Amino acid sequence: GQQLNQSPQSMFIQEGEDVSMNCTSSSIFNTWLWYKQDPGEGPVLLIALYKAGELTSNGRLTAQFGITRKDSFLNISASIPSDVGIYFCAGHANSGGSNYKLTFGKGTLLTVNP
Amino acid sequence: NAGVTQTPKFRILKIGQSMTLQCTQDMNHNYMYWYRQDPGMGLKLIYYSVGAGITDKGEVPNGYNVSRSTTEDFPLRLELAAPSQTSVYFCASSYGDNSPLHFGNGTRLTVT
Repeated sequence: GQQLNQSPQSMFIQEGEDVSMNCTSSSIFNTWLWYKQDPGEGPVLLIALYKAGELTSNGRLTAQFGITRKDSFLNISASIPSDVGIYFCAGHANSGGSNYKLTFGKGTLLTVNP
Repeated sequence: NAGVTQTPKFRILKIGQSMTLQCTQDMNHNYMYWYRQDPGMGLKLIYYSVGAGITDKGEVPNGYNVSRSTTEDFPLRLELAAPSQTSVYFCASSYGDNSPLHFGNGTRLTVT
């Protein structure tokens, strides 16, 4: 099946720093999604991207759908302690984008030191 | 509006035992899914359902069974628990085929 390479695996940062993580694929994706999982909870959708080159913000979060359609980036500005969690990228490689064809990355564990 | 509710939150099973992980949603979503999450491995789809009475296998269905007798409920059954089924299990639902997934808070299962 499809595979997504997400990096870095983990990050330890100081409060106030900016964060950047990315996801790459060997094949073209038609949708890129970014989820956050708080400790002890299920993932929650942060940002959805549907078009190559698309740049979308959600508060301090900004995500981009790469022009090649094989990558996506998530940036968090001015991190705060509640940003702690696991960030997952996910995407649809097929046209139509059925959820049962959704591929998830392995996640980036973010730790923010106050 | 509780969203997606999973029970139990934690469970320890002995090898060979069986159990049912419960999942219910109150959003009237047609689509429901079961994922497992292993450390450093992301989410893998076990089974999914596009509506009451319809289920289908995902990427890792072996050792599991599901049923969907109502729109609200989508239980996951483990018949003969094995150590390889130690994982965190997430149920999710969505309004449409590619609408955002709404996840429950997970069931942490240990098989020893």
